[in-house]
Amino acid sequence: GAVVSQHPSWVICKSGTSVKIECRSLDFQATTMFWYRQFPKQSLMLMATSNEGSKATYEQGVEKDKFLINHASLTLSTLTVTSAHPEDSSFYICSARRDRPSTEQFFGPGTRLTVL
Amino acid sequence: QKEVEQDPGPLSVPEGAIVSLNCTYSNSAFQYFMWYRQYSRKGPELLMYTYSSGNKEDGRFTAQVDKSSKYISLFIRDSQPSDSATYLCAMSEGGSEKLVFGKGTKLTVNP
Repeated sequence: GAVVSQHPSWVICKSGTSVKIECRSLDFQATTMFWYRQFPKQSLMLMATSNEGSKATYEQGVEKDKFLINHASLTLSTLTVTSAHPEDSSFYICSARRDRPSTEQFFGPGTRLTVL
Repeated sequence: QKEVEQDPGPLSVPEGAIVSLNCTYSNSAFQYFMWYRQYSRKGPELLMYTYSSGNKEDGRFTAQVDKSSKYISLFIRDSQPSDSATYLCAMSEGGSEKLVFGKGTKLTVNP
């Protein structure tokens, strides 16, 4: 149990285009999901907290208009990178906080984004 | 000073060795402590989850928390080549869900 999937696993896009990444909790409900970014040989940095049915909470320094988050259901959150630029190239990882029986976060396998 | 400090290694040990991984932290409000294992180009996998000082054991893994010293450890007994990965410590404040991660320690277990 406690499986989180992400789609796509990798994506290459041209500069200026938008990319949508999906995060799904497959066998549990998750009111709260999180989006992280990880640069090579660096740790995970929290970008935003996504809550089902409400606006996401962004960390300081993260542009909310550039990284659009939608948490449409208890099992799905999406991150859209708008007008992507090469500096947005990174490994994007989501996690889902299980509502019950305990509150651990379970991570997806990540999405590698390369912007040309 | 960063909130969570973790020696990035790399750490290389022979198969069967006992591995000790450590993190220190500065925020005394951290109440929940976790260890994740991350294989290359994969998402982190939760290994251990603790919320009190002391030891917690799960198979070959033991997590240790010393809140007075703001120090946590993960011990791996009888290490295997399949344990080769990056190990991340993470922690959060009581009542808050935001995780703060260490940089990760890259471990290689040689057959």
